Amino acid sequence: EVQLLESGGGLVQPGGSLRLSCAASGFTFSSYAMSWVRQAPGKGLEWVSAISGSGDSTYYADSVKGRFTISRDNSKNTLYLQMNSLRDEDTAVYYCAKVGDVAVVTTYFDYWGQGTLVTVSS
Amino acid sequence: QSVLTQPPSASGTPGQRVTISCSGSSSNIGINYVYWYQQLPGTAPKLLIYRNNQRPSGVPDRFSGSKSGTSASLAISGLRSEDEADYYCAAWDASLSGGVFGGGTKLTVL
Repeated sequence: EVQLLESGGGLVQPGGSLRLSCAASGFTFSSYAMSWVRQAPGKGLEWVSAISGSGDSTYYADSVKGRFTISRDNSKNTLYLQMNSLRDEDTAVYYCAKVGDVAVVTTYFDYWGQGTLVTVSS
Repeated sequence: QSVLTQPPSASGTPGQRVTISCSGSSSNIGINYVYWYQQLPGTAPKLLIYRNNQRPSGVPDRFSGSKSGTSASLAISGLRSEDEADYYCAAWDASLSGGVFGGGTKLTVL
């Protein structure tokens, strides 16, 4: 059974940093690209970032480029999102999502985590 | 302003058929697959349609997807109260080198 478990969310001041983790199980982690998708309170889904299965290729939304870094440790079956220079508008539930096709990066997310809440506020 | 455009709301009565549109451009829907997600209140999104018109196992055949040019549609037939949810379309955008979602459509079953 595929499971994705996010952690690391919490309250952080504007300008601060936070690192999210997503522990994956139930599939060959290194074979699949992964993504982070966020949802601000009462708002829609926003794609944030993606990383290839090997970790060699990364992609970012313009809204987070230069501030967020996606990475993965395939030996630990874990996905990360390092978030720096956080802003009020980064407040959201952050979901990690598994891409449904092997070896491609798309918006085909067949499994999602339960999400972790990040609140940026002074 | 989302890259993919969806109507903010839709509604129907039980048993009816409703459609939700998703409009994009030549850099996303025009050249890439469209995916649809259902999000029930307080829960994570769930994959509903992949590769324009394919249903994952467990998704009822009441749900169907289609794509034409730079637009896509999700159709729900035999509407049921449990279909009341938010629906999102998504695609990869070649120009942005990133994923894009529609703004979401809130479906109300009257």
